[in-house]
Order: sequence, then structure tokens, then C-alpha cells
Amino acid sequence: AQKITQTQPGMFVQEKEAVTLDCTYDTSDPSYGLFWYKQPSSGEMIFLIYQGSYDQQNATEGRYSLNFQKARKSANLVISASQLGDSAMYFCAMREGPNDMRFGAGTRLTVKP
Amino acid sequence: NAGVTQTPKFRVLKTGQSMTLLCAQDMNHEYMYWYRQDPGMGLRLIHYSVGEGTTAKGEVPDGYNVSRLKKQNFLLGLESAAPSQTSVYFCASSHGPDRVGNTIYFGEGSWLTVV
Repeated sequence: AQKITQTQPGMFVQEKEAVTLDCTYDTSDPSYGLFWYKQPSSGEMIFLIYQGSYDQQNATEGRYSLNFQKARKSANLVISASQLGDSAMYFCAMREGPNDMRFGAGTRLTVKP
Repeated sequence: NAGVTQTPKFRVLKTGQSMTLLCAQDMNHEYMYWYRQDPGMGLRLIHYSVGEGTTAKGEVPDGYNVSRLKKQNFLLGLESAAPSQTSVYFCASSHGPDRVGNTIYFGEGSWLTVV
């Protein structure tokens, strides 16, 4: 069964606007971690932000924030003030144990000038 | 400032040939991983290692073997390459073993084409 679902294969956003990338997950484990990675066209995987299942507050890292809704099992990434360099693939991932990180299929974000 | 380094970055193989992908990390991480990335499917775990001398199967292990003879190195082997193994391969590492919050750091990827 798919554990991580990203329902938006592609998204467009105007430069300087905010954008939300959706991610839902499925787990019965009370302890888990949620991650977002960025993959630019050059191919490397860049860690953006982390949210733990027990964290009370939403994670933020600069222009990135994670909208964590535990009851709905969603962990959406919000990018504020989009920049052209934000154009990339974005992957949501979940870790239920130290051995196992599962990834969603990704969302391709294109920032328009 | 190397982090996770993979070699080679690009390789073309003929069906039935063998090859080894080498991964090295300089962060003293206990855990190392090999993933493959195919279009529309995100990353899938092939094999992983929780320490020197240990390996374990991930989600898609068939057709691959791994070895972790040294803590800093994790090798991925294809004994008899098949076109279905055409993919981008990522090595990754993290601290372990007890925190789900330990971030996984990735190498730059290895593009493998099997013809």
C-alpha cells in the first residue's frame, strides 16, 4: 500500500507568490518523521525540512514551512515568496523507523517569472 | 566538505554485464542506503546497512547485492545487468539507530543505462 501520496504531479506558481505542495501519509506507528527534499534538474537530493510526529509546532526553515495536520495525516510544504531557483521536483518522505524511509512520487514545481 | 560521494556518475552497460557502484561517506554515519529512482515512482530502497559488516534488503532488492566492509563505504553490485535496472541510483547515509528524525543525506546520483 502506498504510504506517501503526493497528488500533484505538477504545479505552477508566479514568482514571489506562496505555494503549497500536498503530502498525505499512512502509518499506524505513533513515532514517525516527515521530510521534504528538493531535487533540482542537476539531480541531487537536497534536504529541506523535518517534522517529528510528536512535535507540537509546525517546522519552519527560512522560506519553507511544513503544515502538519496529524489527525488528517497530512504534511504539506509551504514555500513563501517563490523564487525562480525553487523550480524543481519536491519529494515528501516518511520515516517510521531508522531503517525505512519511504518517498512519494514527487511534485514538479515550476516558478514563472 | 564531501558528504556522500558516488562513483561512477554515469555508466552504460550491456545486458548481462556486471558492475559495482561505490559509495563513500565522511560523516561517520552508521547507516547507509542504496535507492533507485525511476520516473513517476519517487525513490525506492534497494538495500541498506546499519553498520560495518551488516546489510539488509529493502523494498526492491532483487538483482542487486551489497557489501559494507568498511564503515565509510557501501558498495552496490549488479551481477548480470538487465534493461529493467536502467535507473538513477542514489546512495545515502544517516546517523542511527534510534531516531526517526535523523536526516538522510544523499549523494549526487549515478545514472546507469543498460542496453
